[in-house]
Amino acid sequence: AQKVTQAQTEISVVEKEDVTLDCVYETRDTTYYLFWYKQPPSGELVFLIRRNSFDEQNEISGRYSWNFQKSTSSFNFTITASQVVDSAVYFCGPDGGNKLVFGAGTILRVKS
Amino acid sequence: DGGITQSPKYLFRKEGQNVTLSCEQNLNHDAMYWYRQDPGQGLRLIYYSQIVNDFQKGDIAEGYSVSREKKESFPLTVTSAQKNPTAFYLCASQARGGEAFYGYTFGSGTRLTVV
Repeated sequence: AQKVTQAQTEISVVEKEDVTLDCVYETRDTTYYLFWYKQPPSGELVFLIRRNSFDEQNEISGRYSWNFQKSTSSFNFTITASQVVDSAVYFCGPDGGNKLVFGAGTILRVKS
Repeated sequence: DGGITQSPKYLFRKEGQNVTLSCEQNLNHDAMYWYRQDPGQGLRLIYYSQIVNDFQKGDIAEGYSVSREKKESFPLTVTSAQKNPTAFYLCASQARGGEAFYGYTFGSGTRLTVV
């Protein structure tokens, strides 16, 4: 069975601070993908990234970066120079084929 | 613009009633999904369909039913057998095929409340 742990229930930062959201997963699949989604107050989930389990290179996209460490089953997400618009609930999870497995989510509040 | 449309945005149901949530996509995606979200919890899979006229139960299918008669439509019926239906429901779709892998596209959700 697949499982995701997002240990940080809620994080509050002041604008322009860097913030890292932790994600630890469990899966028995040898090949899988990992995702991060953002859920703003509107409710719709916004796709941020998907990473193949064979690719352990870190990835950077603008202010966003992701650190994938297969040895510790972690896929952490860092926002650099946070902005108020980053305030949302963030979900991570693996996709073993037919479905996404979501963690409970981390609420990020960025204050101006 | 391509996307997923869920309707209605808010839905109220009396106890003992069945209600149907609509999900339509014009992305030509093969796979469609229904998730339920409760406060403080992640999304849980109710049903999914990878092809027309076929669907599979997810982790919490009891009290729900679906149909997939058309590629673009995947309605979810919340039956009276669902004892705690008040939740936020999200529909998603995904293109599948060959070696390529695509992210999921989500609708804006339907908030169902039992009154």
